[in-house]
Amino acid sequence: AQRVTQPEKLLSVFKGAPVELKCNYSYSGSPELFWYVQYSRQRLQLLLRHISRESIKGFTADLNKGETSFHLKKPFAQEEDSAMYYCALAEDEGGSEKLVFGKGTKLTVNP
Amino acid sequence: DTAVSQTPKYLVTQMGNDKSIKCEQNLGHDTMYWYKQDSKKFLKIMFSYNNKELIINETVPNRFSPKSPDKAHLNLHINSLELGDSAVYFCASSPLPWSTDTQYFGPGTRLTVL
Repeated sequence: AQRVTQPEKLLSVFKGAPVELKCNYSYSGSPELFWYVQYSRQRLQLLLRHISRESIKGFTADLNKGETSFHLKKPFAQEEDSAMYYCALAEDEGGSEKLVFGKGTKLTVNP
Repeated sequence: DTAVSQTPKYLVTQMGNDKSIKCEQNLGHDTMYWYKQDSKKFLKIMFSYNNKELIINETVPNRFSPKSPDKAHLNLHINSLELGDSAVYFCASSPLPWSTDTQYFGPGTRLTVL
């Protein structure tokens, strides 16, 4: 069973519009969640992790245990936000943790 | 089932041994990657091959050597294993190098060096 679900494969918004990339997880323990981003012709990089409760490049993500969600949000999208976004869950594996990735959402911000 | 597969899923070995992790993708992708998940659960790129050619080689000890017999396979061979090599290693593939098309990740291989 898929443990990290990103229901939207593609998401297209206009510049200045709010954007929300959805991520739902299935995990019985206390989850640790991440968002990774890959811009065109660049490497995969960590965008943010929920335990840091930080805002990176205007993006925030709040862990909602009731809804088992970790949606990534930005109030005003910019063209440079166009990229692939991956949600990941750190899953406990016998005392250590391993990342489990969603299938990714391709965000396109149109001018 | 189309996917990226890695074998073995778990690998426990002694320091000083040589071991390999295999990766195969049947998605028809041209590009494959090896990542290392560090202790903070961050993912760091190690190598990337495009159509059997090495295109990314990060600062990784030369005990690590990737081998791509064909574009569907990218194996990771590690010589003289050290304690610090213990980690989860992920293989991934994508249609093109560093494109904004989806990277498909394998399930990971947990390497434990004793």
